[in-house]
Amino acid sequence: QQQVKQSPQSLIVQKGGIPIINCAYENTAFDYFPWYQQFPGKGPALLIAIRPDVSEKKEGRFTISFNKSAKQFSLHIMDSQPGDSATYFCAASINTGTASKLTFGTGTRLQVTL
Amino acid sequence: DVKVTQSSRYLVKRTGEKVFLECVQDMDHENMFWYRQDPGLGLRLIYFSYDVKMKEKGDIPEGYSVSREKKERFSLILESASTNQTSMYLCASSSPGQPNEKLFFGSGTQLSVL
Repeated sequence: QQQVKQSPQSLIVQKGGIPIINCAYENTAFDYFPWYQQFPGKGPALLIAIRPDVSEKKEGRFTISFNKSAKQFSLHIMDSQPGDSATYFCAASINTGTASKLTFGTGTRLQVTL
Repeated sequence: DVKVTQSSRYLVKRTGEKVFLECVQDMDHENMFWYRQDPGLGLRLIYFSYDVKMKEKGDIPEGYSVSREKKERFSLILESASTNQTSMYLCASSSPGQPNEKLFFGSGTQLSVL
């Protein structure tokens, strides 16, 4: 059962382009939506996150857009660079009070070419 | 910097063997997690622990068990390894109660079961 659907599976953009990765969720109890970035040979690392009470969050060149009514959120990377080439995972969680169980999307492999 | 260390980067085992994957974190985090990562499936939660000797099943616990005897160490056990358990295994830790709970991942153990 895939509770967080992510697309596309892979993406190739030229340097300076704006890749967009989309995610959709089903469970309206989710209250935290992070994005993780994973480079080859490394574990994922938190990139940026948003809560459903805001529609947009920006950190540097990375922006999350959140549409609560549509149950969708997306990651935009402005002025993309070859160093942004990585796999990106969206996720969603419900805080149970003891630990937040993250449900991850299937991942998007991004390649930024020169 | 937070460090989550997984004991092996690559592991090759035979079908039916008992396999131990070890994970140690150095940040005194209460929560620890085991995920498996498979192409096209993203990261799926196997088990997590929010305290010493406490454990909870994740989304795919079948065929796995865990042990947490000390706060810093969380072990994943495959009682009788099977070929469908060939995967990348990722350990993570976090501290609850933060505005945005952040998972810190290890670099992963690529397990091949032959």
